[in-house]
Amino acid sequence: HLVESGGAVVQPGGSLRLSCAASGFTFDDFAMHWVRQPPGKSLEWVALISWGGETAYYADSVKGRFIISRDNTENSLHLQMNRLRPEDTAFYYCVKDIASDGPSSGGGYSDHWGQGALVTVSS
Amino acid sequence: DIQMTQSPSTLSASIGDRVTITCRASQDITFWLAWYQQKPGKAPKLLIYKASRLESGVPPRFSGSGFGTEFTLTISSLQPDDFSTYYCQQYKSSLITFGQGTRLEIK
Repeated sequence: HLVESGGAVVQPGGSLRLSCAASGFTFDDFAMHWVRQPPGKSLEWVALISWGGETAYYADSVKGRFIISRDNTENSLHLQMNRLRPEDTAFYYCVKDIASDGPSSGGGYSDHWGQGALVTVSS
Repeated sequence: DIQMTQSPSTLSASIGDRVTITCRASQDITFWLAWYQQKPGKAPKLLIYKASRLESGVPPRFSGSGFGTEFTLTISSLQPDDFSTYYCQQYKSSLITFGQGTRLEIK
């Protein structure tokens, strides 16, 4: 079970932190992702973090602005979003990988998704 | 980054039809491809992984095939619940990418 929180309306250039509470599985056994979807548009992968948090990957569109992190003691995943742009407006999904390190450990696809949190970047 | 291109963007079909959706990768991804189904207002649901392996609980009318750069998702006999949007996703690279989606609508 994955539950996102923190979605809000924010002005361009602002910051926002999304969180995801995980339950029902051993959180620190699996890599985690954030995937976003602008309303009415396609899915876009945003970021991946390994099971222990040591390795992270980012889409070019967010690299240098967003930071993915996790707290395995709290079973939580986070996305710190800085210098937000109108094109960052989307539903943000917290997504569980099937393996510990994503593609490098035979995973990279997802068997559980949260219901999404809406982030709107607008003045 | 690896680009994923789906076709068609929209597909109109009837109950009982056999339909095929194609996904092409911009470079060789061997069999590292997944397919998802998404209904309006809902999160995506995994159907197929490793190009052809059916996720547990997914009806056998769904099948996947392909290797390298060209892949297909086939629904052998469309049911009312299948009218949704379908996405392919490559995971050969840690910079994961999705196709733009195929909307399957009732004719």
